[in-house]
Amino acid sequence: KAGVTQTPRYLIKTRGQQVTLSCSPISGHRSVSWYQQTPGQGLQFLFEYFSETQRNKGNFPGRFSGRQFSNSRSEMNVSTLELGDSALYLCASSAGAGFGTEAFFGQGTRLTVV
Amino acid sequence: AQKITQTQPGMFVQEKEAVTLDCTYDTSDQSYGLFWYKQPSSGEMIFLIYQGSYDEQNATEGRYSLNFQKARKSANLVISASQLGDSAMYFCAMREGLGLIYNQGGKLIFGQGTELSVKP
Repeated sequence: KAGVTQTPRYLIKTRGQQVTLSCSPISGHRSVSWYQQTPGQGLQFLFEYFSETQRNKGNFPGRFSGRQFSNSRSEMNVSTLELGDSALYLCASSAGAGFGTEAFFGQGTRLTVV
Repeated sequence: AQKITQTQPGMFVQEKEAVTLDCTYDTSDQSYGLFWYKQPSSGEMIFLIYQGSYDEQNATEGRYSLNFQKARKSANLVISASQLGDSAMYFCAMREGLGLIYNQGGKLIFGQGTELSVKP
């Protein structure tokens, strides 16, 4: 069974640009969550999608958005990039969202904003 | 508010010895799950072990065991017989059961992590 696939693995963008990151969950998983990891703030929840609906959103500005497609693949978009958006972005895939459901992570996309 | 605290920023352990990584949590929910993840330098988060709030026995997965003390709200990870490949960041995380009811989805709350170094 294929794991969670995130593309691209590495990305360098300039301030003010926008970027789209992609996540393909494990086959059959309907929940996809996104997290931002930085040395200063640690792992922070961005948002979670389940069956194409956003169910929860973290405390991030509106520049951060996402969507989920009917095949459960998800994309995350960041517009008007700032230097502080440089981070490792991790996608997690779950069969459901119950408190006991395991979350499986991809290898992440490392975004550098210059 | 839900919170995970890992008080050990870094730890060293000798190869083949056991090590305990501390995790305390704060929640008002009766239903919750506790997870430990390993993150090597490559960046991928690897699931290690899970403990549910209603589980009476401590979880075990191979060399990993979870010392769950519900009254103290602690969920320490024990790694037995450490190996060089265990060197990595370790994160404790929690997911609350009421998250679904309050439309909070599958949110995981993470601690700040503990960097474990295994010495040969």
